[in-house]
Amino acid sequence: GEDVEQSLFLSVREGDSSVINCTYTDSSSTYLYWYKQEPGAGLQLLTYIFSNMDMKQDQRLTVLLNKKDKHLSLRIADTQTGDSAIYFCAETDSWGKFQFGAGTQVVVTP
Amino acid sequence: DTAVSQTPKYLVTQMGNDKSIKCEQNLGHDTMYWYKQDSKKFLKIMFSYNNKELIINETVPNRFSPKSPDKAHLNLHINSLELGDSAVYFCASSQVLTPPNEQFFGPGTRLTVL
Repeated sequence: GEDVEQSLFLSVREGDSSVINCTYTDSSSTYLYWYKQEPGAGLQLLTYIFSNMDMKQDQRLTVLLNKKDKHLSLRIADTQTGDSAIYFCAETDSWGKFQFGAGTQVVVTP
Repeated sequence: DTAVSQTPKYLVTQMGNDKSIKCEQNLGHDTMYWYKQDSKKFLKIMFSYNNKELIINETVPNRFSPKSPDKAHLNLHINSLELGDSAVYFCASSQVLTPPNEQFFGPGTRLTVL
Protein backbone atom coordinates (compact mmCIF):
# COMPACT_ATOMS: atom_id res chain seq x y z
CA GLY A 1 0.00 0.00 0.00
CA GLU A 2 0.95 3.67 -0.19
CA ASP A 3 3.34 5.03 2.40
CA VAL A 4 2.33 8.61 1.71
CA GLU A 5 -1.36 9.56 1.75
CA GLN A 6 -3.17 12.70 0.70
CA SER A 7 -6.75 13.72 0.19
CA LEU A 8 -7.59 13.66 -3.49
CA PHE A 9 -9.41 16.94 -4.02
CA LEU A 10 -9.64 20.47 -2.63
CA SER A 11 -11.80 23.32 -3.87
CA VAL A 12 -10.97 26.84 -2.71
CA ARG A 13 -12.15 30.34 -3.56
CA GLU A 14 -9.70 32.81 -5.06
CA GLY A 15 -8.15 34.92 -2.31
CA ASP A 16 -8.74 32.34 0.43
CA SER A 17 -6.04 30.16 1.99
CA SER A 18 -5.64 26.55 0.87
CA VAL A 19 -4.41 23.83 3.19
CA ILE A 20 -3.29 20.53 1.73
CA ASN A 21 -2.61 17.68 4.14
CA CYS A 22 -0.38 14.64 3.91
CA THR A 23 0.48 11.75 6.19
CA TYR A 24 3.43 9.40 5.85
CA THR A 25 4.52 6.23 7.59
CA ASP A 26 8.30 6.06 7.17
CA SER A 27 9.89 7.16 10.45
CA SER A 28 13.30 7.27 8.75
CA SER A 29 12.18 10.05 6.39
CA THR A 30 14.87 12.69 6.20
CA TYR A 31 13.24 15.31 4.00
CA LEU A 32 9.66 16.00 3.00
CA TYR A 33 8.69 17.83 -0.15
CA TRP A 34 5.82 19.50 -1.92
CA TYR A 35 5.70 19.35 -5.70
CA LYS A 36 3.22 21.01 -8.08
CA GLN A 37 2.06 19.49 -11.37
CA GLU A 38 0.21 21.65 -13.89
CA PRO A 39 -1.79 19.98 -16.69
CA GLY A 40 0.40 18.30 -19.28
CA ALA A 41 3.61 19.09 -17.45
CA GLY A 42 6.12 17.42 -15.18
CA LEU A 43 6.37 18.01 -11.46
CA GLN A 44 8.01 21.15 -10.12
CA LEU A 45 9.47 21.43 -6.65
CA LEU A 46 7.71 24.06 -4.52
CA THR A 47 9.47 23.62 -1.22
CA TYR A 48 10.96 21.04 1.12
CA ILE A 49 11.54 20.71 4.84
CA PHE A 50 14.13 18.81 6.82
CA SER A 51 12.53 16.28 9.15
CA ASN A 52 13.97 17.99 12.25
CA MET A 53 12.17 21.25 11.49
CA ASP A 54 8.55 21.91 12.27
CA MET A 55 7.84 24.90 10.05
CA LYS A 56 9.13 26.58 6.93
CA GLN A 57 7.81 29.71 5.28
CA ASP A 58 8.50 30.76 1.72
CA GLN A 59 6.47 33.75 0.48
CA ARG A 60 2.84 32.55 0.18
CA LEU A 61 3.76 28.99 1.17
CA THR A 62 3.91 27.68 4.73
CA VAL A 63 4.91 24.09 5.46
CA LEU A 64 4.07 22.57 8.83
CA LEU A 65 5.54 19.26 9.96
CA ASN A 66 4.35 17.27 12.94
CA LYS A 67 6.96 14.55 13.13
CA LYS A 68 5.29 12.76 16.03
CA ASP A 69 2.06 12.33 14.06
CA LYS A 70 3.90 12.03 10.71
CA HIS A 71 1.71 14.80 9.32
CA LEU A 72 2.77 17.39 6.77
CA SER A 73 0.71 20.29 5.49
CA LEU A 74 1.09 22.99 2.87
CA ARG A 75 -0.72 26.27 3.29
CA ILE A 76 -1.04 28.59 0.31
CA ALA A 77 -2.04 32.11 1.30
CA ASP A 78 -4.15 34.28 -1.00
CA THR A 79 -4.78 31.43 -3.46
CA GLN A 80 -4.83 32.47 -7.10
CA THR A 81 -6.28 30.78 -10.20
CA GLY A 82 -2.70 29.98 -11.25
CA ASP A 83 -2.43 27.79 -8.16
CA SER A 84 -4.90 25.31 -9.68
CA ALA A 85 -2.86 22.13 -10.12
CA ILE A 86 -2.12 18.77 -8.55
CA TYR A 87 0.05 18.97 -5.43
CA PHE A 88 2.20 16.01 -4.47
CA CYS A 89 3.62 15.33 -1.07
CA ALA A 90 6.82 13.24 -1.07
CA GLU A 91 9.40 11.96 1.35
CA THR A 92 12.90 10.60 0.98
CA ASP A 93 14.83 8.20 3.14
CA SER A 94 18.54 8.66 3.84
CA TRP A 95 19.35 6.94 0.54
CA GLY A 96 17.45 9.54 -1.42
CA LYS A 97 14.68 7.23 -2.55
CA PHE A 98 11.49 9.18 -3.16
CA GLN A 99 8.01 8.07 -2.19
CA PHE A 100 5.21 10.21 -3.58
CA GLY A 101 1.60 10.54 -2.47
CA ALA A 102 -1.23 10.21 -4.98
CA GLY A 103 -1.59 13.97 -5.33
CA THR A 104 -4.28 16.47 -4.31
CA GLN A 105 -6.15 18.17 -7.13
CA VAL A 106 -6.63 21.83 -6.12
CA VAL A 107 -9.29 23.78 -7.99
CA VAL A 108 -9.44 27.53 -7.45
CA THR A 109 -12.80 29.15 -8.20
CA PRO A 110 -13.31 32.86 -8.84
CA ASP B 1 17.46 26.13 -22.22
CA THR B 2 18.70 24.08 -19.29
CA ALA B 3 16.21 21.32 -18.68
CA VAL B 4 15.22 17.70 -18.68
CA SER B 5 13.85 16.73 -22.08
CA GLN B 6 12.08 13.59 -23.20
CA THR B 7 11.11 12.27 -26.60
CA PRO B 8 8.60 11.48 -27.82
CA LYS B 9 5.89 13.43 -25.97
CA TYR B 10 3.19 11.03 -27.17
CA LEU B 11 3.55 7.40 -28.17
CA VAL B 12 0.69 5.26 -29.45
CA THR B 13 1.47 1.66 -30.29
CA GLN B 14 0.04 -1.83 -30.53
CA MET B 15 0.32 -4.53 -27.91
CA GLY B 16 3.40 -6.68 -28.38
CA ASN B 17 5.54 -3.96 -29.95
CA ASP B 18 8.89 -2.75 -28.62
CA LYS B 19 9.41 0.96 -28.05
CA SER B 20 11.96 3.36 -26.55
CA ILE B 21 11.67 6.67 -24.74
CA LYS B 22 14.69 8.94 -24.60
CA CYS B 23 15.68 11.32 -21.82
CA GLU B 24 18.41 13.91 -21.69
CA GLN B 25 19.39 16.42 -19.03
CA ASN B 26 21.82 19.29 -19.54
CA LEU B 27 21.90 20.31 -15.88
CA GLY B 28 25.13 18.47 -15.15
CA HIS B 29 23.36 16.21 -12.66
CA ASP B 30 24.75 12.90 -11.48
CA THR B 31 21.47 11.09 -10.88
CA MET B 32 18.57 10.28 -13.21
CA TYR B 33 15.25 8.55 -12.66
CA TRP B 34 12.28 7.05 -14.44
CA TYR B 35 8.80 7.31 -12.94
CA LYS B 36 5.46 5.90 -14.08
CA GLN B 37 2.30 7.92 -13.47
CA ASP B 38 -0.89 5.95 -13.84
CA SER B 39 -4.36 7.19 -14.75
CA LYS B 40 -5.08 8.05 -11.11
CA LYS B 41 -1.97 10.30 -11.07
CA PHE B 42 -0.13 7.98 -8.70
CA LEU B 43 3.62 8.42 -9.31
CA LYS B 44 5.88 5.44 -8.79
CA ILE B 45 9.66 5.23 -9.06
CA MET B 46 10.86 2.66 -11.56
CA PHE B 47 14.62 3.14 -11.78
CA SER B 48 17.34 5.45 -10.65
CA TYR B 49 20.88 5.73 -11.98
CA ASN B 50 23.81 7.49 -10.37
CA ASN B 51 26.84 8.20 -12.55
CA LYS B 52 25.54 5.64 -15.06
CA GLU B 53 25.18 2.94 -12.41
CA LEU B 54 21.80 1.40 -11.56
CA ILE B 55 20.83 2.24 -7.97
CA ILE B 56 17.10 1.54 -7.70
CA ASN B 57 15.10 -1.05 -9.60
CA GLU B 58 11.63 -1.16 -8.14
CA THR B 59 10.16 -4.56 -9.04
CA VAL B 60 9.68 -3.47 -12.60
CA PRO B 61 9.09 -6.30 -15.13
CA ASN B 62 12.24 -7.15 -17.02
CA ARG B 63 10.48 -6.09 -20.22
CA PHE B 64 11.60 -2.62 -19.12
CA SER B 65 15.29 -2.02 -19.64
CA PRO B 66 16.90 1.33 -18.84
CA LYS B 67 20.15 2.28 -20.50
CA SER B 68 22.46 5.10 -19.50
CA PRO B 69 25.12 5.67 -22.18
CA ASP B 70 26.45 8.66 -20.23
CA LYS B 71 25.49 10.77 -17.19
CA ALA B 72 23.31 13.07 -19.28
CA HIS B 73 21.11 10.37 -20.80
CA LEU B 74 18.81 7.70 -19.42
CA ASN B 75 16.73 5.91 -22.03
CA LEU B 76 13.92 3.46 -21.37
CA HIS B 77 13.31 0.53 -23.68
CA ILE B 78 10.12 -1.51 -23.32
CA ASN B 79 9.70 -4.92 -24.94
CA SER B 80 6.44 -6.70 -25.70
CA LEU B 81 4.20 -3.83 -24.67
CA GLU B 82 1.06 -4.66 -22.69
CA LEU B 83 -2.17 -2.72 -22.16
CA GLY B 84 -1.19 -2.09 -18.53
CA ASP B 85 1.91 -0.22 -19.66
CA SER B 86 -0.30 2.68 -20.76
CA ALA B 87 0.68 5.60 -18.54
CA VAL B 88 2.69 8.81 -18.50
CA TYR B 89 6.40 8.16 -18.03
CA PHE B 90 8.48 10.89 -16.43
CA CYS B 91 12.21 11.21 -16.50
CA ALA B 92 13.84 13.26 -13.74
CA SER B 93 17.31 14.20 -12.61
CA SER B 94 18.91 15.45 -9.40
CA GLN B 95 22.32 16.89 -8.72
CA VAL B 96 23.19 14.14 -6.28
CA LEU B 97 21.65 10.93 -5.01
CA THR B 98 21.37 11.81 -1.33
CA PRO B 99 18.73 14.15 0.09
CA PRO B 100 17.75 16.90 -0.22
CA ASN B 101 17.94 15.70 -3.79
CA GLU B 102 15.61 18.12 -5.55
CA GLN B 103 14.35 16.38 -8.63
CA PHE B 104 13.86 18.18 -11.92
CA PHE B 105 11.22 16.52 -14.06
CA GLY B 106 10.85 16.25 -17.80
CA PRO B 107 7.51 17.02 -19.46
CA GLY B 108 6.48 13.37 -19.61
CA THR B 109 5.79 10.84 -22.37
CA ARG B 110 2.21 9.68 -22.67
CA LEU B 111 2.27 6.04 -23.78
CA THR B 112 -0.94 4.47 -25.06
CA VAL B 113 -0.94 0.78 -25.82
CA LEU B 114 -3.85 -0.40 -28.00
